[in-house]
Amino acid sequence: AQSVTQLDSHVSVSEGTPVLLRCNYSSSYSPSLFWYVQHPNKGLQLLLKYTSAATLVKGINGFEAEFKKSETSFHLTKPSAHMSDAAEYFCVVTSSFGNEKLTFGTGTRLTIIP
Amino acid sequence: EAQVTQNPRYLITVTGKKLTVTCSQNMNHEYMSWYRQDPGLGLRQIYYSMNVEVTDKGDVPEGYKVSRKEKRNFPLILESPSPNQTSLYFCASSVDRGSYNEQFFGPGTRLTVL
Repeated sequence: AQSVTQLDSHVSVSEGTPVLLRCNYSSSYSPSLFWYVQHPNKGLQLLLKYTSAATLVKGINGFEAEFKKSETSFHLTKPSAHMSDAAEYFCVVTSSFGNEKLTFGTGTRLTIIP
Repeated sequence: EAQVTQNPRYLITVTGKKLTVTCSQNMNHEYMSWYRQDPGLGLRQIYYSMNVEVTDKGDVPEGYKVSRKEKRNFPLILESPSPNQTSLYFCASSVDRGSYNEQFFGPGTRLTVL
């Protein structure tokens, strides 16, 4: 069994300040974890993924996430927010063996304040 | 350009009037799936297909049908739409069935059933 919890439904930050979007997961097997971004009126796009290699994963547009097994977390961070980062972000969990479905979190809407 | 296309992008219909949402990918992907996105619920899988003529139910298949007669196309059929099927629908594809693979999403179809 697996589940994912995005701890904030909405996050607002000022342009140029750090971004932190929190994700906790539960999995009865070795997980693969993803962050997807959805810009308004667009489909989801992969930001980054963890598949049991390095625990610090770098993605596109300056985002990164750290897999912490002891805390069952996979938080998404960015040092300096840009206006173009305004979007909805989804944390996703599955099995690292690739034999389980994808379970999506409920999403975090990121607002950037000019 | 590698992409997943969906048509129509927006559709308003009435209860009971059969409709089809088309999905096509040009990446020669084996695996295709349909999701619906509802506020506060994230994305939930409706149906998926591991290859031509191979389809299976996802988490919320009731009221939907699919077919996979060609590798590139995966239409979603609502035989008798009802208001609870009002939602945002996404088609996605990936290189194979392994759930650790990146999913490529279409732009979405916003369906309203009156």
